[in-house]
Amino acid sequence: QSALTQPRSVSGSPGQSVTISCSGTNSDVGGYNYVSWYQQHPGKAPKLTIYDVSKRPSGVPDRFSGSKSGNTASLTISGLQAEDEADYYCCSYAGDYTLVFGGGTKLTVL
Amino acid sequence: QITLKESGPTLVKPTQTLTLTCTFSGFSLSTSGVGVGWIRQPPGKALECLALIYWDDHKRYSPSLKSRLTVTKDTSENQVVLTMTNMDPVDTATYYCAHLLYYDILTSYYHSYFDSWGRGTLVTVSS
Repeated sequence: QSALTQPRSVSGSPGQSVTISCSGTNSDVGGYNYVSWYQQHPGKAPKLTIYDVSKRPSGVPDRFSGSKSGNTASLTISGLQAEDEADYYCCSYAGDYTLVFGGGTKLTVL
Repeated sequence: QITLKESGPTLVKPTQTLTLTCTFSGFSLSTSGVGVGWIRQPPGKALECLALIYWDDHKRYSPSLKSRLTVTKDTSENQVVLTMTNMDPVDTATYYCAHLLYYDILTSYYHSYFDSWGRGTLVTVSS
């Protein structure tokens, strides 16, 4: 059970779109539609941002969207805003009641 | 409204055993489909899922830490306890507990995500 692979950092200017990838295997990301994404601001607890690959919890702006193709899931943030600057983590169900996180991606809004 | 709060020592010595308690409200661990997870985050590093415990008492541990971890639940007290033995300075981290939705009994859909988190507790391992 290895950590999912995310880019260490991404950046974009206000108003632009950015996409964060999350690569796994057939045993996790590719095998189940149970990928979730968490936003974490410095010194704060993670916050659920996307679940079940592409669903948004109540209160999360529709600028946040998720998708999956094969063993790679993606989080896209459109219309970037300054408050989107944070760390983002993907997480996938990996079978047999287990979950695995990605290594995290730091989003910088230029 | 679901709330969770972690409690335990903020400082432990190397080789000691860490015991953390997650006290929660707004749900019951006897409800089908519900779980609680312990996740830690060393300073400046990534989240790591340490342990999961489910309503049916299924337990899962991080493969790399399995020999050092034990998770238990007290349904009547709405608490989940994590113990980690043989603490080392590399175990210095913020430890979070979180509510896990595995199966929604209302919709009959499976999920697997953490929808509510505690604020976390920083545990420092130092002599």
